[in-house]
Amino acid sequence: AQTVTQSQPEMSVQEAETVTLSCTYDTSENNYYLFWYKQPPSRQMILVIRQEAYKQQNATENRFSVNFQKAAKSFSLKISDSQLGDTAMYFCAFVFTGNQFYFGTGTSLTVIP
Amino acid sequence: SQTIHQWPATLVQPVGSPLSLECTVEGTSNPNLYWYRQAAGRGLQLLFYSVGIGQISSEVPQNLSASRPQDRQFILSSKKLLLSDSGFYLCAWSAGLMASYEQYFGPGTRLTVT
Repeated sequence: AQTVTQSQPEMSVQEAETVTLSCTYDTSENNYYLFWYKQPPSRQMILVIRQEAYKQQNATENRFSVNFQKAAKSFSLKISDSQLGDTAMYFCAFVFTGNQFYFGTGTSLTVIP
Repeated sequence: SQTIHQWPATLVQPVGSPLSLECTVEGTSNPNLYWYRQAAGRGLQLLFYSVGIGQISSEVPQNLSASRPQDRQFILSSKKLLLSDSGFYLCAWSAGLMASYEQYFGPGTRLTVT
Protein backbone atom coordinates (compact mmCIF):
# COMPACT_ATOMS: atom_id res chain seq x y z
CA ALA A 1 0.00 0.00 0.00
CA GLN A 2 1.12 3.52 -0.75
CA THR A 3 0.89 6.13 1.98
CA VAL A 4 1.89 9.77 2.33
CA THR A 5 2.36 11.31 5.76
CA GLN A 6 2.54 14.97 6.65
CA SER A 7 3.23 15.13 10.36
CA GLN A 8 2.84 18.91 10.79
CA PRO A 9 -0.84 19.90 10.69
CA GLU A 10 -0.05 23.59 11.22
CA MET A 11 3.02 25.76 10.91
CA SER A 12 3.80 29.45 10.97
CA VAL A 13 6.72 31.54 9.78
CA GLN A 14 7.67 35.19 9.90
CA GLU A 15 7.60 37.04 6.64
CA ALA A 16 10.97 36.86 4.82
CA GLU A 17 12.08 33.86 6.88
CA THR A 18 12.56 30.27 5.70
CA VAL A 19 10.30 27.36 6.56
CA THR A 20 10.47 23.64 5.83
CA LEU A 21 7.44 21.40 5.50
CA SER A 22 7.92 17.67 6.02
CA CYS A 23 6.56 14.75 4.03
CA THR A 24 7.31 11.05 4.18
CA TYR A 25 5.90 8.31 2.02
CA ASP A 26 5.88 4.57 1.86
CA THR A 27 6.10 2.57 -1.34
CA SER A 28 7.79 -0.48 -2.77
CA GLU A 29 7.96 1.12 -6.21
CA ASN A 30 11.25 2.36 -7.61
CA ASN A 31 10.03 4.78 -10.26
CA TYR A 32 7.60 7.45 -9.19
CA TYR A 33 6.94 11.16 -8.99
CA LEU A 34 6.48 13.42 -6.00
CA PHE A 35 4.69 16.75 -5.89
CA TRP A 36 3.88 19.63 -3.61
CA TYR A 37 0.58 21.40 -4.15
CA LYS A 38 -0.55 24.65 -2.59
CA GLN A 39 -4.19 25.41 -1.74
CA PRO A 40 -4.71 29.08 -0.78
CA PRO A 41 -7.94 30.33 0.80
CA SER A 42 -9.51 30.43 -2.67
CA ARG A 43 -9.19 26.59 -2.55
CA GLN A 44 -7.69 26.41 -6.02
CA MET A 45 -5.07 23.66 -6.01
CA ILE A 46 -1.83 24.90 -7.52
CA LEU A 47 1.18 22.78 -8.43
CA VAL A 48 4.27 24.13 -6.65
CA ILE A 49 7.03 21.72 -7.53
CA ARG A 50 7.68 18.23 -8.94
CA GLN A 51 10.43 15.69 -8.31
CA GLU A 52 11.17 12.57 -10.37
CA ALA A 53 12.40 9.72 -8.20
CA TYR A 54 15.10 8.73 -10.68
CA LYS A 55 16.71 12.16 -10.45
CA GLN A 56 19.19 12.68 -7.64
CA GLN A 57 19.21 16.45 -8.02
CA ASN A 58 16.68 18.24 -5.87
CA ALA A 59 14.06 20.25 -7.75
CA THR A 60 13.94 24.03 -7.40
CA GLU A 61 11.33 26.57 -8.47
CA ASN A 62 12.27 30.11 -7.53
CA ARG A 63 11.84 30.37 -3.73
CA PHE A 64 10.65 26.76 -3.44
CA SER A 65 13.02 23.82 -3.24
CA VAL A 66 12.82 20.24 -2.08
CA ASN A 67 15.06 17.94 -0.10
CA PHE A 68 14.47 14.52 -1.63
CA GLN A 69 15.93 11.60 0.29
CA LYS A 70 14.92 8.49 -1.64
CA ALA A 71 16.38 5.93 0.75
CA ALA A 72 14.65 7.60 3.67
CA LYS A 73 11.46 8.13 1.62
CA SER A 74 11.42 11.75 2.62
CA PHE A 75 10.36 14.73 0.52
CA SER A 76 10.42 18.06 2.35
CA LEU A 77 9.57 21.47 0.91
CA LYS A 78 11.62 24.54 1.76
CA ILE A 79 10.15 27.97 1.22
CA SER A 80 12.69 30.77 1.31
CA ASP A 81 11.95 34.46 1.83
CA SER A 82 8.38 33.65 2.86
CA GLN A 83 5.71 36.00 1.57
CA LEU A 84 2.19 36.69 2.79
CA GLY A 85 0.87 35.06 -0.37
CA ASP A 86 2.46 31.79 0.69
CA THR A 87 -0.21 31.42 3.37
CA ALA A 88 -2.04 28.28 2.30
CA MET A 89 -2.55 24.59 2.86
CA TYR A 90 0.28 22.55 1.38
CA PHE A 91 -0.21 18.98 0.22
CA CYS A 92 2.46 16.44 -0.57
CA ALA A 93 1.50 13.90 -3.25
CA PHE A 94 2.94 10.75 -4.78
CA VAL A 95 2.17 8.86 -7.98
CA PHE A 96 3.75 5.80 -9.56
CA THR A 97 1.34 5.31 -12.45
CA GLY A 98 -0.62 7.86 -14.46
CA ASN A 99 -3.84 6.99 -12.76
CA GLN A 100 -3.77 7.50 -9.05
CA PHE A 101 -2.32 10.14 -6.79
CA TYR A 102 -1.80 9.63 -3.09
CA PHE A 103 -2.12 12.83 -1.09
CA GLY A 104 -1.03 13.63 2.42
CA THR A 105 -3.41 15.26 4.88
CA GLY A 106 -1.85 18.67 4.41
CA THR A 107 0.04 21.29 6.40
CA SER A 108 -1.58 24.65 7.04
CA LEU A 109 1.08 27.35 6.71
CA THR A 110 0.56 30.87 8.00
CA VAL A 111 3.00 33.63 7.10
CA ILE A 112 3.05 36.27 9.83
CA PRO A 113 3.72 39.86 8.80
CA SER B 1 -2.94 26.20 -23.21
CA GLN B 2 -5.07 23.81 -21.22
CA THR B 3 -7.88 24.93 -18.96
CA ILE B 4 -10.29 23.07 -16.74
CA HIS B 5 -13.75 24.26 -15.84
CA GLN B 6 -16.13 23.17 -13.13
CA TRP B 7 -19.67 24.21 -12.44
CA PRO B 8 -21.49 25.19 -10.48
CA ALA B 9 -19.11 26.94 -8.12
CA THR B 10 -21.46 26.55 -5.17
CA LEU B 11 -24.55 24.45 -4.65
CA VAL B 12 -27.03 24.02 -1.83
CA GLN B 13 -29.26 20.98 -2.15
CA PRO B 14 -31.75 19.27 0.18
CA VAL B 15 -31.25 15.73 1.35
CA GLY B 16 -32.70 13.26 -1.13
CA SER B 17 -32.35 15.51 -4.15
CA PRO B 18 -30.28 14.58 -7.22
CA LEU B 19 -26.86 15.97 -8.03
CA SER B 20 -24.95 16.70 -11.19
CA LEU B 21 -21.55 18.37 -11.20
CA GLU B 22 -19.80 18.93 -14.48
CA CYS B 23 -16.15 19.23 -15.40
CA THR B 24 -14.70 20.01 -18.81
CA VAL B 25 -11.14 20.30 -20.04
CA GLU B 26 -9.95 22.36 -22.98
CA GLY B 27 -6.74 22.31 -24.94
CA THR B 28 -5.82 18.64 -24.61
CA SER B 29 -6.95 15.26 -25.88
CA ASN B 30 -7.56 11.98 -24.10
CA PRO B 31 -6.78 13.27 -20.62
CA ASN B 32 -7.03 11.22 -17.47
CA LEU B 33 -9.83 12.73 -15.39
CA TYR B 34 -10.40 12.61 -11.65
CA TRP B 35 -13.02 13.53 -9.07
CA TYR B 36 -11.89 14.28 -5.52
CA ARG B 37 -13.76 15.29 -2.40
CA GLN B 38 -12.23 17.43 0.29
CA ALA B 39 -14.00 17.57 3.62
CA ALA B 40 -13.47 20.36 6.17
CA GLY B 41 -10.45 21.83 4.32
CA ARG B 42 -8.33 18.77 4.89
CA GLY B 43 -7.02 15.96 2.69
CA LEU B 44 -8.26 14.92 -0.70
CA GLN B 45 -10.20 11.72 -1.17
CA LEU B 46 -10.14 10.25 -4.67
CA LEU B 47 -13.65 9.31 -5.71
CA PHE B 48 -13.39 8.34 -9.38
CA TYR B 49 -10.92 8.41 -12.20
CA SER B 50 -11.22 7.81 -15.92
CA VAL B 51 -8.64 7.00 -18.55
CA GLY B 52 -11.05 7.22 -21.49
CA ILE B 53 -14.62 7.66 -22.65
CA GLY B 54 -16.94 5.36 -20.76
CA GLN B 55 -14.10 4.04 -18.56
CA ILE B 56 -14.70 4.82 -14.90
CA SER B 57 -12.88 3.46 -11.89
CA SER B 58 -14.35 3.92 -8.44
CA GLU B 59 -12.14 4.20 -5.41
CA VAL B 60 -14.66 4.39 -2.60
CA PRO B 61 -18.12 2.80 -2.43
CA GLN B 62 -20.57 5.62 -1.91
CA ASN B 63 -23.72 7.39 -2.89
CA LEU B 64 -22.10 8.92 -5.96
CA SER B 65 -21.45 7.87 -9.55
CA ALA B 66 -19.40 9.29 -12.41
CA SER B 67 -19.68 9.28 -16.16
CA ARG B 68 -17.53 10.38 -19.06
CA PRO B 69 -19.79 10.88 -22.05
CA GLN B 70 -17.17 12.76 -24.06
CA ASP B 71 -13.39 12.78 -24.15
CA ARG B 72 -13.04 15.98 -22.14
CA GLN B 73 -16.20 15.88 -20.05
CA PHE B 74 -16.52 14.30 -16.63
CA ILE B 75 -19.74 14.29 -14.63
CA LEU B 76 -20.32 13.47 -10.98
CA SER B 77 -23.86 12.46 -10.08
CA SER B 78 -26.08 11.24 -7.32
CA LYS B 79 -29.68 10.09 -7.40
CA LYS B 80 -30.31 10.98 -3.75
CA LEU B 81 -27.97 13.19 -1.76
CA LEU B 82 -27.04 12.45 1.85
CA LEU B 83 -25.91 14.94 4.47
CA SER B 84 -22.50 13.27 4.38
CA ASP B 85 -22.11 14.24 0.72
CA SER B 86 -21.44 17.84 1.73
CA GLY B 87 -17.93 18.97 0.89
CA PHE B 88 -15.69 20.57 -1.64
CA TYR B 89 -15.46 18.67 -4.93
CA LEU B 90 -12.46 19.01 -7.16
CA CYS B 91 -12.03 17.81 -10.71
CA ALA B 92 -8.54 17.29 -12.08
CA TRP B 93 -6.86 16.16 -15.25
CA SER B 94 -3.49 14.72 -16.16
CA ALA B 95 -1.84 14.01 -19.47
CA GLY B 96 -1.62 10.26 -19.08
CA LEU B 97 0.90 7.50 -18.73
CA MET B 98 3.62 8.90 -20.98
CA ALA B 99 3.61 12.40 -19.56
CA SER B 100 4.96 13.91 -16.39
CA TYR B 101 1.96 12.81 -14.34
CA GLU B 102 1.13 16.06 -12.60
CA GLN B 103 -2.53 16.73 -12.08
CA TYR B 104 -4.14 20.09 -12.77
CA PHE B 105 -7.18 21.04 -10.77
CA GLY B 106 -10.34 22.94 -11.49
CA PRO B 107 -11.65 25.70 -9.21
CA GLY B 108 -13.92 23.28 -7.31
CA THR B 109 -17.56 23.11 -6.31
CA ARG B 110 -18.71 23.70 -2.75
CA LEU B 111 -21.69 21.44 -2.07
CA THR B 112 -23.86 21.88 1.00
CA VAL B 113 -26.55 19.30 1.62
CA THR B 114 -29.23 20.57 3.99
